[in-house]
Amino acid sequence: DAGVTQSPTHLIKTRGQQVTLRCSPKSGHDTVSWYQQALGQGPQFIFQYYEEEERQRGNFPDRFSGHQFPNYSSELNVNALLLGDSALYLCASSLEGQGTVTQYFGPGTRLLVL
Amino acid sequence: DQQVKQNSPSLSVQEGRISILNCDYTNSMFDYFLWYKKYPAEGPTFLISISSIKDKNEDGRFTVFLNKSAKHLSLHIVPSQPGDSAVYFCALYSGGGADGLTFGKGTHLIIQP
Repeated sequence: DAGVTQSPTHLIKTRGQQVTLRCSPKSGHDTVSWYQQALGQGPQFIFQYYEEEERQRGNFPDRFSGHQFPNYSSELNVNALLLGDSALYLCASSLEGQGTVTQYFGPGTRLLVL
Repeated sequence: DQQVKQNSPSLSVQEGRISILNCDYTNSMFDYFLWYKKYPAEGPTFLISISSIKDKNEDGRFTVFLNKSAKHLSLHIVPSQPGDSAVYFCALYSGGGADGLTFGKGTHLIIQP
C-alpha cells in the first residue's frame, strides 16, 4: 500500500524565482492538502484540493497556487519567492466521505530560498 | 493569535513511565482532535484521534482525553518506550471552517533509558 510521496526532497532557490513541488496521494485517496512548516512551528494549512479544484484555503497569499490532476496527484506552485518561504512543505492526503478527517502526510520537501 | 497551544516545548520521561502531553485550544468550534508524531526528516505520522462527542479514546499504549469545557486535550503514553522519542503535535479540525488541520507548535518528547 503506497503512502504519500513527494518530490523533490530538497530544493534551493533564490529570491524572486518560482518553484513547483509535487505530491502523489496515498493509494485510494482523492483529496490532497498542502501545509507549510517553518522551523520550530507546527504545520500551517495552505489549501486543499478535491475533484481538481481548490476547496479551502488558509491564510496564504496568491503567490501560492496549486493544481490537482485527474489521477489525484497535486502540485504546489510558489511565485516570486521570498526568504520567508524557506520551510518544509508537507502534502497530506485523505479520502472524502469516510466520516473521518484523518490526513496522512508525506515526508515533505525542504525548500531553502537564498 | 494562537488557537492551539502546546505549552511544553520539551518533556523528558523515564523509560517505562507514563508520558503526558498536553494541548489547549481557544475555539469551541473545533470538533475533531488528532495527535501526530514526527521524527526528524519524516512527515508527521497519525497516532490517534477523538471526536467531540467522546471524552476518551484508547489504542494500545496511547490514550487521548478530551475535556471540552476546559478546551483541553491530552495524550497519555504508557509505558513509554525509547522509540517514542519524537515531536508530538496536536491537530484540530473544525467542520464549519477550512478543511485544513490547525496544529500546535509541538512538544519534543525524550524517553530516557
